[in-house]
Amino acid sequence: GAGVSQSPSNKVTEKGKDVELRCDPISGHTALYWYRQSLGQGLEFLIYFQGNSAPDKSGLPSDRFSAERTGGSVSTLTIQRTQQEDSAVYLCASSRIQGPSGNTIYFGEGSWLTVV
Amino acid sequence: AQSVSQHNHHVILSEAASLELGCNYSYGGTVNLFWYVQYPGQHLQLLLKYFSGDPLVKGIKGFEAEFIKSKFSFNLRKPSVQWSDTAEYFCAVNDTNAGKSTFGDGTTLTVKP
Repeated sequence: GAGVSQSPSNKVTEKGKDVELRCDPISGHTALYWYRQSLGQGLEFLIYFQGNSAPDKSGLPSDRFSAERTGGSVSTLTIQRTQQEDSAVYLCASSRIQGPSGNTIYFGEGSWLTVV
Repeated sequence: AQSVSQHNHHVILSEAASLELGCNYSYGGTVNLFWYVQYPGQHLQLLLKYFSGDPLVKGIKGFEAEFIKSKFSFNLRKPSVQWSDTAEYFCAVNDTNAGKSTFGDGTTLTVKP
């Protein structure tokens, strides 16, 4: 597609339930990021995928959070046993590492997660 | 590991005032530098970027930034701000070896009409 696509755009879930957030990056972009942005807060790095390399999971806040990227394209962020503090906007972004616009990051519109 | 520091968390200016937002990074290797902007209710978008060449780069809406390698800085400037510049501004540094980008914590700019 033309941009980074995320789904769902909004999700309300009950505390304790699992949620899956999906990201479809720009075609040909080998790098993919997940960030979290809470109300009035900056960007919190969660995880970074680059090609076939092992992902950088250093930002995942707990073992309830996991992410995978299948076939080097679509990524899913999974939050198990959601807590109210998980409520935030989850942003996906992608970039091409090589080429004229290499390393410019393009963001999706985000998935708004509310845990009640 | 690289880090990015934005010194001002919240800046409040009147229209027509000049703007300078600080950004410093800690990484000794080759970097690409970016400023991103997030207008209220919108998603993050690129404002300007530096890859190589002239260290003074021009972006959209009259913004510019200067890369000073010796100071590890990439400050964002605009001579005369408008109310519509109210937004959150993020500085980002890309490690060209590892490919990964790191963002600063962001600066919220409020421009009073």
